[in-house]
Amino acid sequence: AQSVAQPEDQVNVAEGNPLTVKCTYSVSGNPYLFWYVQYPNRGLQFLLKYITGDNLVKGSYGFEAEFNKSQTSFHLKKPSALVSDSALYFCAVRDGDDYKLSFGAGTTVTVRA
Amino acid sequence: ETGVTQTPRHLVMGMTNKKSLKCEQHLGHNAMYWYKQSAKKPLELMFVYSLEERVENNSVPSRFSPECPNSSHLFLHLHTLQPEDSALYLCASSQSWQGAQPQHFGDGTRLSIL
Repeated sequence: AQSVAQPEDQVNVAEGNPLTVKCTYSVSGNPYLFWYVQYPNRGLQFLLKYITGDNLVKGSYGFEAEFNKSQTSFHLKKPSALVSDSALYFCAVRDGDDYKLSFGAGTTVTVRA
Repeated sequence: ETGVTQTPRHLVMGMTNKKSLKCEQHLGHNAMYWYKQSAKKPLELMFVYSLEERVENNSVPSRFSPECPNSSHLFLHLHTLQPEDSALYLCASSQSWQGAQPQHFGDGTRLSIL
C-alpha cells in the first residue's frame, strides 16, 4: 500500500521569503514522487518529479524538492516566494511496482505582498 | 494550455438527468484517467484506461459509466446521481499507465447535483 501525508493545510509566507511545503510518504517498494500545483478553477499542473539519482530535484517556476529516504520525505521549496505562487499544492507518490498515483490532501499556500 | 481539454466546464443537473462529460487529449498519450476532487480531500482515482482498455475501476458506483472510444477521447456518462456526487471531475493523460511519466490534467468539470 502507498500513502502520502501533507501535514499542513495552509502555509503563509511573505513575498521574498523562502517557501517550504512538507510531504511525507509511505511505499513498500521504490517511490516515484511528484509535486503538482492547482490554481483556482484550473486542473493540476506538474511541477517536478523524483525517480532516482540526485536527491535535489529542480522543476518549473523556480521550485525544487529534496528527497530524503531516511525520513521518507519530499518537501517542496522555493528560495524566494512570489505572490503568484499562491495556490493549492499536491504531493503524490507511486510505488514503482504499482500504477496508481496516490495524492495528499493538498496544502494551500498564500504569499502576501 | 495543458493539452487536455474537458467539456463542459460547469454542469448543473438534477438527480434524474443523464449527462456526459467529455475529455480529449492532444498529447499522443496512451493512458487516460478520471479523478474526482472534493474539497479538503485527496484526489480519488475513478477509472484508468490504457489504449482504450479499462485497466481499473476503483470501486466506483454504477451510476458513473466510462467510455474510451480511442486513445484520445474519454467520456464519463452520468445518470441518477446523488448530491454527494457534486465535485470537480478531472481528466488526465500520461504516456503510459505504468512507469514514471507524469500525468497531465485538464481543467475539470465542476458538477453540481440539485
